[in-house]
Amino acid sequence: NAGVTQTPKFQVLKTGQSMTLQCAQDMNHEYMSWYRQDPGMGLRLIHYSVGAGITDQGEVPNGYNVSRSTTEDFPLRLLSAAPSQTSVYFCASSSLAGPQETQYFGPGTRLLVL
Amino acid sequence: SQQGEEDPQALSIQEGENATMNCSYKTSINNLQWYRQNSGRGLVHLILIRSNEREKHSGRLRVTLDTSKKSSSLLITASRAADTASYFCATDADRDDKIIFGKGTRLHILP
Repeated sequence: NAGVTQTPKFQVLKTGQSMTLQCAQDMNHEYMSWYRQDPGMGLRLIHYSVGAGITDQGEVPNGYNVSRSTTEDFPLRLLSAAPSQTSVYFCASSSLAGPQETQYFGPGTRLLVL
Repeated sequence: SQQGEEDPQALSIQEGENATMNCSYKTSINNLQWYRQNSGRGLVHLILIRSNEREKHSGRLRVTLDTSKKSSSLLITASRAADTASYFCATDADRDDKIIFGKGTRLHILP
């Protein structure tokens, strides 16, 4: 199993550009989530999903969209990048239709918005 | 606002000593988890404790949970250089499916 994979590893964007951060897992996990990590702020939940076709907002959803068309994939879209979205983004997944079990994290995507 | 808050923010101890980190949270929970993050890496799950449990052990790790005080502690015994990392608590509130992380404790083990 590859676990949770994220692409790209690094990305530089200009203000106003859009892009999609990819996340995939091969563990048949129902629950997937996106976090951003900023210095001194820990991880903040952006969006999460309890299964294909179901998504919900986390703590800091503004400026981000998600969709969950398959169990395996959970892409995060930045519609119009802003410097405030410069961060490290982590995708995570866990078994069961909820967060009751261990979350497995991807290696992260480092995003710089100029 | 974030659910969990770790204390202290940073901790430096000598190798071989025990390290204790605390986590406080705001709402009732189903479970609480502790994760480790090495610099620049993703998070790795350490241990999960459910709301009906008071103490749990895993190797050199000991976690306690006091739901009346809405707090948890993580004890790492006989610390090693490899334990240098950031440690985060994460809570699963019983009212929704969100897992919320605290800001973390940076642990540095001195040789």
